[in-house]
Amino acid sequence: EIVLTQSPGTLSLSPGERATLSCRASQIVISSYLAWYQQKPGQAPRLLIYGASNRATGIPDRFSGSGSGTDFTLTISRLEPEDFAVYYCQQYGRSPITFGQGTRLEIK
Amino acid sequence: EVQLLESGGGLVQPGGSLRLSCAASGFTFSNYAMSWVRQAPGKGLDYVSAISVGGGGTYYADSVKGRFTISRDKNTLFLQMNSLRAEDTAIYYCARGGDNYDYWGQGTLVTVSS
Repeated sequence: EIVLTQSPGTLSLSPGERATLSCRASQIVISSYLAWYQQKPGQAPRLLIYGASNRATGIPDRFSGSGSGTDFTLTISRLEPEDFAVYYCQQYGRSPITFGQGTRLEIK
Repeated sequence: EVQLLESGGGLVQPGGSLRLSCAASGFTFSNYAMSWVRQAPGKGLDYVSAISVGGGGTYYADSVKGRFTISRDKNTLFLQMNSLRAEDTAIYYCARGGDNYDYWGQGTLVTVSS
């Protein structure tokens, strides 16, 4: 199975700053079948990005995804207070579907 | 508005069974593959199972294969869980899609404990 390793484990930033979250796969992710989700406490995850770089419906353009092969990045250009949450990457190119362990984005 | 509403969770003893349901509304259910994803308390997300549009294709994580059965009928998704173990304790989410998931329910908690 493809293991996804997210870094850093925790990222401490201030509103207005830029956030860069990394997701590294143990094998090539076929066709860039890589998604990013945001999860706030007590809530279900929300799809942000699919196909490595496509924003899901209703997702603000401050969120962007990039990468291919084994290295992927989620960038939040200018943090808003509501962006502080846990972020997960997911690969769906090869069975079984797998998720990264998450990056916690906290207010500095 | 797309809505997914899970039910059926609860406390069950090791070796017991539960059947989860997910009532879907606000979209044409029969046009979408559907999935179950779980999250153990304080942990990350784990793929559990998926079912194809027509129901003819079903897929399982190795950890639940042979114990869990996914199915669908009309506007409802099901997960029959047998031979439950302590490590199955988690919030179980119903999600729209067979690979990436654009809508999620709020989840139902399954606790396996004696």
